[in-house]
Amino acid sequence: GENVEQHPSTLSVQEGDSAVIKCTYSDSASNYFPWYKQELGKGPQLIIDIRSNVGEKKDQRIAVTLNKTAKHFSLHITETQPEDSAVYFCATKRGNQFYFGTGTSLTVIP
Amino acid sequence: GAVVSQHPSWVICKSGTSVKIECRSLDFQATTMFWYRQFPKQSLMLMATSNEGSKATYEQGVEKDKFLINHASLTLSTLTVTSAHPEDSSFYICSATGAGLSFYEQYFGPGTRLTVT
Repeated sequence: GENVEQHPSTLSVQEGDSAVIKCTYSDSASNYFPWYKQELGKGPQLIIDIRSNVGEKKDQRIAVTLNKTAKHFSLHITETQPEDSAVYFCATKRGNQFYFGTGTSLTVIP
Repeated sequence: GAVVSQHPSWVICKSGTSVKIECRSLDFQATTMFWYRQFPKQSLMLMATSNEGSKATYEQGVEKDKFLINHASLTLSTLTVTSAHPEDSSFYICSATGAGLSFYEQYFGPGTRLTVT
């Protein structure tokens, strides 16, 4: 099956700085790569996603890059704000199945 | 966007009793629903996948007789934790994909915090 690794597990940045979270995966058949934000006591929310035929996607302060050859993808958050503090999960999809990374706890220090 | 609700948001029950958690898709038909379990500061662990009108497919190590899943309609799936024990205490999250959505997307419910005393 798929193995998704996510780094770092914790990340602290100063407000206004950028944050980068990276994930690697093992199954070349995975074709969809979403990122979720989970706030304490809530379910994950999709914040951005990318499909296997695209290398980069941007939505305001958030961007995702995908390197299918190397089997890794990254989440980039620019101009971080305190409300960006949460746990972020990457995921891959193969067929009907989703596989999640282990999560990154992001803290944005005001 | 697509909205998934869960009820209750939190529940406390005594050991040995059963508890039912509902997952509803509010504005789309959920042909497939997923049930996850999440321990504190850990990732989501897929418990089972259910397709409307079919029996759920359970992941390895998940007791199907303990975690009963019913996906009887295109908008409702239920998870019943039978004969609950303290070790069943966890955060249970459902998600759904379905008609009208991109094949790729799944939308999560807000989760249900179960505490077994």
